[in-house]
Amino acid sequence: SAVISQKPSRDICQRGTSLTIQCQVDSQVTMMFWYRQQPGQSLTLIATANQGSEATYESGFVIDKFPISRPNLTFSTLTVSNMSPEDSSIYLCSVDGWRIRPGETQYFGPGTRLLVL
Amino acid sequence: GQQVMQIPQYQHVQEGEDFTTYCNSSTTLSNIQWYKQRPGGHPVFLIQLVKSGEVKKQKRLTFQFGEAKKNSSLHITATQTTDVGTYFCAGLVVEGGSEKLVFGKGTKLTVNP
Repeated sequence: SAVISQKPSRDICQRGTSLTIQCQVDSQVTMMFWYRQQPGQSLTLIATANQGSEATYESGFVIDKFPISRPNLTFSTLTVSNMSPEDSSIYLCSVDGWRIRPGETQYFGPGTRLLVL
Repeated sequence: GQQVMQIPQYQHVQEGEDFTTYCNSSTTLSNIQWYKQRPGGHPVFLIQLVKSGEVKKQKRLTFQFGEAKKNSSLHITATQTTDVGTYFCAGLVVEGGSEKLVFGKGTKLTVNP
């Protein structure tokens, strides 16, 4: 079974709506990360989600637009709120891989491919 | 904010030719990591370099970390069609008292059989 799973794997949404992406990890991890990868682009860190505390957002990303939940050590959600076509991206969660596979620094989920019309 | 520059953006080679991608940071990195993303896939960790001047090999792949820990390279010898994908470097930087990975823009490699 996969170490990290994400739901949904892809979605097509209308502008103005919101989508919540789920990330489930097989092992307990302290830190989970949410990245965005716009078409043909690199990965940009949105926020770091630690269990028991509020997420830490990177410059250019705000909680109102990308609220994050981290209810336990194996699960997190990222919501993309009030979507516009510019939010069309792949959204990936990741964890510190060394806790799962020694020597592997960061392990990514399969991603959620979002298209906003 | 901190940036990691990666070149070239695209590279097209004939099968059997060598390929190199380079990363450069304006500041010293705690470590540098390399990831490969196949078309339609997600980034997969390849390797991590920590020490100044470190060189690591994985079969046909050679990874180097510069003496100043500001630059790195990935070299593939005798490319194969299975090497197709985008290769990202990611530098671990300390910013605002916390560490985070900063990804380069990636080099998209295509291989002509």
